[in-house]
Amino acid sequence: DARVTQTPRHKVTEMGQEVTMRCQPILGHNTVFWYRQTMMQGLELLAYFRNRAPLDDSGMPKDRFSAEMPDATLATLKIQPSEPRDSAVYFCASALGGGTGELFFGEGSRLTVL
Amino acid sequence: GENVEQHPSTLSVQEGDSAVIKCTYSDSASNYFPWYKQELGKRPQLIIDIRSNVGEKKDQRIAVTLNKTAKHFSLHITETQPEDSAVYFCAASKSTGGFKTIFGAGTRLFVKA
Repeated sequence: DARVTQTPRHKVTEMGQEVTMRCQPILGHNTVFWYRQTMMQGLELLAYFRNRAPLDDSGMPKDRFSAEMPDATLATLKIQPSEPRDSAVYFCASALGGGTGELFFGEGSRLTVL
Repeated sequence: GENVEQHPSTLSVQEGDSAVIKCTYSDSASNYFPWYKQELGKRPQLIIDIRSNVGEKKDQRIAVTLNKTAKHFSLHITETQPEDSAVYFCAASKSTGGFKTIFGAGTRLFVKA
């Protein structure tokens, strides 16, 4: 059963610390999305990649967030320095480019910044 | 910019009744409209979708309708059951540009037994 894998599942850190979240998309999926979920904002698109190239990262605060795909099996989302308002669940999703358009979500990384 | 509005934010129905969730989108180039269900503490999962060349689609107790002219689409759940209780997200996407998917704010559905 192919799944998107995210690590860590939970992270508690102090304000100012660097946080890195990782995502392994489903093998063969060439489109990867990062979403942030809070109670108030629903699913907010931060960035997405196709064939490892960033297509849109306009939803991401550029001063502290960065997203990369070092290779086809790994996507990373980094926050430096972290702030309490970054506390949320971060979801990675992957899709097959040229496919149906369905997104397959990972279990999410719950981040708490104290 | 692209935007998806979703209403209501909360919906409470009696078991067996119908539930309707409505969404509007702003990008007229959108051509794919999925609906995701997210149970408490879980990841969102696709339950049904509709493409812009179709006006209605049904799968057992759920159906979606699309009005491209009005940029409006809806989810209908009939004969609701307690296990339908979850957060439902509508989304708009377009096949050009890698299916960039914009979600609505979500509807929390409570089905009372």
